Amino acid sequence: AQSVTQLDSHVSVSEGTPVLLRCNYSSSYSPSLFWYVQHPNKGLQLLLKYTSAATLVKGINGFEAEFKKSETSFHLTKPSAHMSDAAEYFCVVSAPYGNNRLAFGKGNQVVVIP
Amino acid sequence: IAGITQAPTSQILAAGRRMTLRCTQDMRHNAMYWYRQDLGLGLRLIHYSNTAGTTGKGEVPDGYSVSRANTDDFPLTLASAVPSQTSVYFCASSDRGSNTGELFFGEGSRLTVL
Repeated sequence: AQSVTQLDSHVSVSEGTPVLLRCNYSSSYSPSLFWYVQHPNKGLQLLLKYTSAATLVKGINGFEAEFKKSETSFHLTKPSAHMSDAAEYFCVVSAPYGNNRLAFGKGNQVVVIP
Repeated sequence: IAGITQAPTSQILAAGRRMTLRCTQDMRHNAMYWYRQDLGLGLRLIHYSNTAGTTGKGEVPDGYSVSRANTDDFPLTLASAVPSQTSVYFCASSDRGSNTGELFFGEGSRLTVL
């Protein structure tokens, strides 16, 4: 079984400052890892994914994440927050036997202060 | 624009009533999913279908049923709604052949059971 831990359910950042969202995972398999973003009253959208290729993954809107197996982490970062980054972010881990075995974190609600 | 369409977008329902949430995709994806999203709990899988004609139970299937008569449609039925089923429901699909864990989400159906 796999699981995901996202600390800090609410995160406030000032516009123009870095964003860091932490994700730690547990998996019995070599995992695939994902970050999804959900804007208010919208569905989830894939931000980036790690599937055993390069450990530093770049996504849309300037976000990136680094897979660290030794730390079982997949933290999401962005150098400079923009107002449009205000959203909820979910870290997800996948087992290799199908998408019905995805495990979602409980989410980070990001507020960007002007 | 290709994607997933959910209906209704919002519904208030009396307890004990039957309700079907509709989901249609035009991406010809094999796999489809229903999740519910509740504050502080993230997304939880209700039911899934890996291909037309097959369905499976997710993490929280009780009180819900699904069918998959064709590739495009995946309705979710609440046979007798209860207040604990008040939630936001998301339909999603994926190209099962890629097994990348990338899901495409609809914009959600907000259901309130009184």
